[in-house]
Amino acid sequence: GAGVSQSPSNKVTEKGKDVELRCDPISGHTALYWYRQSLGQGLEFLIYFQGNSAPDKSGLPSDRFSAERTGGSVSTLTIQRTQQEDSAVYLCASSLEGHRLYEQYFGPGTRLTVT
Amino acid sequence: AQTVTQSQPEMSVQEAETVTLSCTYDTSESNYYLFWYKQPPSRQMILVIRQEAYKQQNATENRFSVNFQKAAKSFSLKISDSQLGDTAMYFCAFMVSGTYKYIFGTGTRLKVLA
Repeated sequence: GAGVSQSPSNKVTEKGKDVELRCDPISGHTALYWYRQSLGQGLEFLIYFQGNSAPDKSGLPSDRFSAERTGGSVSTLTIQRTQQEDSAVYLCASSLEGHRLYEQYFGPGTRLTVT
Repeated sequence: AQTVTQSQPEMSVQEAETVTLSCTYDTSESNYYLFWYKQPPSRQMILVIRQEAYKQQNATENRFSVNFQKAAKSFSLKISDSQLGDTAMYFCAFMVSGTYKYIFGTGTRLKVLA
């Protein structure tokens, strides 16, 4: 079946503009994660959605960052008033309930460049 | 707070040889999971191997195996018979059971040489 997809694959934006990044998880996966991967760094947890529960937003770095998950499927990560330090690869991952819950399936990422 | 440390930013290994990637972590929790993820140059991360902390037996997946030392909080990955396709960034990750929040190390870039 289809894996996790993300769009766009690359995004170049000017400082101060808003951007929206999209994630389509694997069909049936109830959990969805967003991470940020900066050059030379590991993955930084941003936000976690699980079913109909309130999302865990504890990793969002500032109030310029927000995310939604509509209908328990597609998710959008929005960054308002982008700054140069927001430049990174944004990765989305999803996972399935049950004993496989702890195995994440990652998308290819969106490379964001803020100029 | 939990932390994951990968002290080897880069490594290289000859094709068909064995290489071990190091990972240490810090936690006061007793129930957790440890993972190794691989990120090839194409960027898509994939799970290599998973270890439950309550299991004493080290996990193995074909050419990949781990050396899990719970007391030492060490979780190294051994790749046997290295192949060119093993060239990638390898991330060690930790998650407290039930929290669903992964903590990743900074990665080790492995290059397999022909």
